Amino acid sequence: DVKVTQSSRYLVKRTGEKVFLECVQDMDHENMFWYRQDPGLGLRLIYFSYDVKMKEKGDIPEGYSVSREKKERFSLILESASTNQTSMYLCASSFNSLGGYTFGSGTRLTVV
Amino acid sequence: AQSVTQLDSQVPVFEEAPVELRCNYSSSVSVYLFWYVQYPNQGLQLLLKYLSGSTLVESINGFEAEFNKSQTSFHLRKPSVHISDTAEYFCAATKTSGSRLTFGEGTQLTVNP
Repeated sequence: DVKVTQSSRYLVKRTGEKVFLECVQDMDHENMFWYRQDPGLGLRLIYFSYDVKMKEKGDIPEGYSVSREKKERFSLILESASTNQTSMYLCASSFNSLGGYTFGSGTRLTVV
Repeated sequence: AQSVTQLDSQVPVFEEAPVELRCNYSSSVSVYLFWYVQYPNQGLQLLLKYLSGSTLVESINGFEAEFNKSQTSFHLRKPSVHISDTAEYFCAATKTSGSRLTFGEGTQLTVNP
């Protein structure tokens, strides 16, 4: 069964901390995505990557960065966590968009 | 870029009643459409998709959606819902295979006994 695995289901961090959210997929997909999900706002794209060492800004990249050193791993980095980054973070991967995305289970991050 | 609008943020229904979750997209020469479902505390799962061909597409659990080009809609329907259908449903669209998906705001379907 194909999988996208996010390393943590729940995370609590302090304001100002550097936070790493990890995502690994086992489907040899080229494309990987990071979204945040907030009530009433749906899914908003933070960053995406079409290949190793490539990254593209999504709709809300401010306050975030990403790293893709290996094809199967896509990391989201909060350089200095703030309370307005408290959210559900979802990672996804795809071969191409017509096949749909495969999502991880999500990481619920709380910044206190 | 595509834009996707889900017209209802919350849809409460009783068990065994029919339901329709509405989705409209911005018009485009060609468009590919998707419905995803998110059960509580889980990620999104692909429910069904329209790429080409028959405008009516079905999922394995009884949902169906119809691509209506003239109304730029892709509404999701089920003739009789179960408690287990309680979830958030997201409509999504893309113009080409290389483009990213654009998601709607989501519709919370709550099925009450």
